[in-house]
Amino acid sequence: DAGITQSPRHKVTETGTPVTLRCHQTENHRYMYWYRQDPGHGLRLIHYSYGVKDTDKGEVSDGYSVSRSKTEDFLLTLESATSSQTSVYFCAISGTGGRETQYFGPGTRLLVL
Amino acid sequence: EDQVTQSPEALRLQEGESSSLNCSYTVSGLRGLFWYRQDPGKGPEFLFTLYSAGEEKEKERLKATLTKKESFLHITAPKPEDSATYLCAVQARNYGQNFVFGPGTRLSVLP
Repeated sequence: DAGITQSPRHKVTETGTPVTLRCHQTENHRYMYWYRQDPGHGLRLIHYSYGVKDTDKGEVSDGYSVSRSKTEDFLLTLESATSSQTSVYFCAISGTGGRETQYFGPGTRLLVL
Repeated sequence: EDQVTQSPEALRLQEGESSSLNCSYTVSGLRGLFWYRQDPGKGPEFLFTLYSAGEEKEKERLKATLTKKESFLHITAPKPEDSATYLCAVQARNYGQNFVFGPGTRLSVLP
């Protein structure tokens, strides 16, 4: 199994509060990704990183920000959580890019009340 | 518009009853097609990567094939432990490193 951990694994929060999810990898992979998974939508890319301090937006980036200060850590922040951000969030990693396979973490289940 | 679709949405099989899952894609410049298995409450688990039409990969009871427009995941003599959601994803030239995922096929294998 790829060495990917996510924390927290479960979180309940209230609308309007900030939330930060953490992804940690031990594989020294260059690329890291944040996805959300919702019924009827499948997995959708939020943001991704192609190196330390290098990030870009994905398909559903509104309301989310990311940071990567170390190769092994990729943080996803919801500045002011909304109920529409209730979802399961997955982190993924891949190596050098190109045709690299993405490997996924165990997920974080977030409920925004 | 580039998209990835999967069919059927759900499939129920008896143990030992072979079948196939379909992943159809309309993207320009396919760089790779990926199959994953996802169990409830867990992250997707990588199964196969296919890069060019005509390519086939096998692993235990699973065999993945690729044409220019679609991929099939063939399941031979399935067992209850094969029950899961199977996801396909494509990586296309226009997306850089990014994947576009299909909605998945939910497979149930009954003993």
